Amino acid sequence: QKEVEQDPGPLSVPEGAIVSLNCTYSNSAFQYFMWYRQYSRKGPELLMYTYSSGNKEDGRFTAQVDKSSKYISLFIRDSQPSDSATYLCAMSQGGSEKLVFGKGTKLTVNP
Amino acid sequence: SQTIHQWPATLVQPVGSPLSLECTVEGTSNPNLYWYRQAAGRGLQLLFYSVGIGQISSEVPQNLSASRPQDRQFILSSKKLLLSDSGFYLCAWSGTYEQYFGPGTRLTVT
Repeated sequence: QKEVEQDPGPLSVPEGAIVSLNCTYSNSAFQYFMWYRQYSRKGPELLMYTYSSGNKEDGRFTAQVDKSSKYISLFIRDSQPSDSATYLCAMSQGGSEKLVFGKGTKLTVNP
Repeated sequence: SQTIHQWPATLVQPVGSPLSLECTVEGTSNPNLYWYRQAAGRGLQLLFYSVGIGQISSEVPQNLSASRPQDRQFILSSKKLLLSDSGFYLCAWSGTYEQYFGPGTRLTVT
């Protein structure tokens, strides 16, 4: 079993839809969770990070962590064509020496 | 604010040629620095990380090496490139527990 599993998609939605992106993990020692957005041929950009179970909201983005189920999600409300990108989840046990990444989900928002 | 630079942005090199990719960080002192490779369909692979000048940890045995000659400079090198070295190379620095990536270098080995 891989440490972090992420559905690669591709995921295609109409503009204005609510998007749900998910990752599962097997290592219960993971304490810190991050979501990155990566546009084509660009470096990943940190969107959100959290270290506790529950929800964290930032504008149209909500990160959700369920440590009991080893499951994290990123919700995008009112999705826009500019949200079209690959979304990577990442997590670590503590500190930032090593992050474990999912392989990314490619999202396309159609106008 | 912190900024991370990588160059070159794009590189095409023949098999067997040497490689040198450079990464510099501005606006922070003594950062942890990382080199990743991203190949199509394979996700992000951690190659090296450094917690200080001259301190390099290697994650994957291969024909690449890394050096950190200055606090905010990280260099990825190879003496002889292989076809399998093609990919998107990313440098990153760490905050408290998150990491911030540079713009990347796309390397094609022909």
